[in-house]
Amino acid sequence: NAGVTQTPKFRILKIGQSMTLQCTQDMNHNYMYWYRQDPGMGLKLIYYSVGAGITDKGEVPNGYNVSRSTTEDFPLRLELAAPSQTSVYFCASRRTEVSGRIGYGYTFGSGTRLTVV
Amino acid sequence: KQEVTQIPAALSVPEGENLVLNCSFTDSAIYNLQWFRQDPGKGLTSLLLIQSSQREQTSGRLNASLDKSSGRSTLYIAASQPGDSATYLCAVAYTTSGTYKYIFGTGTRLKVLA
Repeated sequence: NAGVTQTPKFRILKIGQSMTLQCTQDMNHNYMYWYRQDPGMGLKLIYYSVGAGITDKGEVPNGYNVSRSTTEDFPLRLELAAPSQTSVYFCASRRTEVSGRIGYGYTFGSGTRLTVV
Repeated sequence: KQEVTQIPAALSVPEGENLVLNCSFTDSAIYNLQWFRQDPGKGLTSLLLIQSSQREQTSGRLNASLDKSSGRSTLYIAASQPGDSATYLCAVAYTTSGTYKYIFGTGTRLKVLA
């Protein structure tokens, strides 16, 4: 049971390049999330998914896209990378809650540190 | 809009001291609250999860309390050790569109001196 796996761990991009950050989980969690963490700031939600085929925007979605074709995978796509996207990106997942009673917490991946130059 | 604040932003204590980290939130209608630990350059490790119906949770030397009416949670660390040095993040689950998402505080950087 690997939990949440993110690749790559580090990446340097040039302005205008594109890339995909990979996230996969083996816990059969329906809910998956992408956050970014800037120095001295809290985590900001980029996109999330409540199940395969369903995605929605978070607080800071501009410049990013996601897809969720399977329960396991939730890749984050950066198009036309900009210096403002230099950050650490975290993927998280959780189990579906027992409505009104039990809510499950997040399991996080180890993060991808991205620098755009 | 839910806002989460953690005070202090940084804390240094001598080894062996008991300490309290604070987390405040503006909207008491939360689903649950989760405390995380983050080591430099690493991901987030879940420490404790408190459901909205609970008052506290304990794990080893850690005890987290929740007071929804006052919008506060505290993380108590007993007999601190240098290995406890890390950033501690509080995350509050708020309900939206029939489910819940977490909003994070900016963390408290803890340094325990040997």
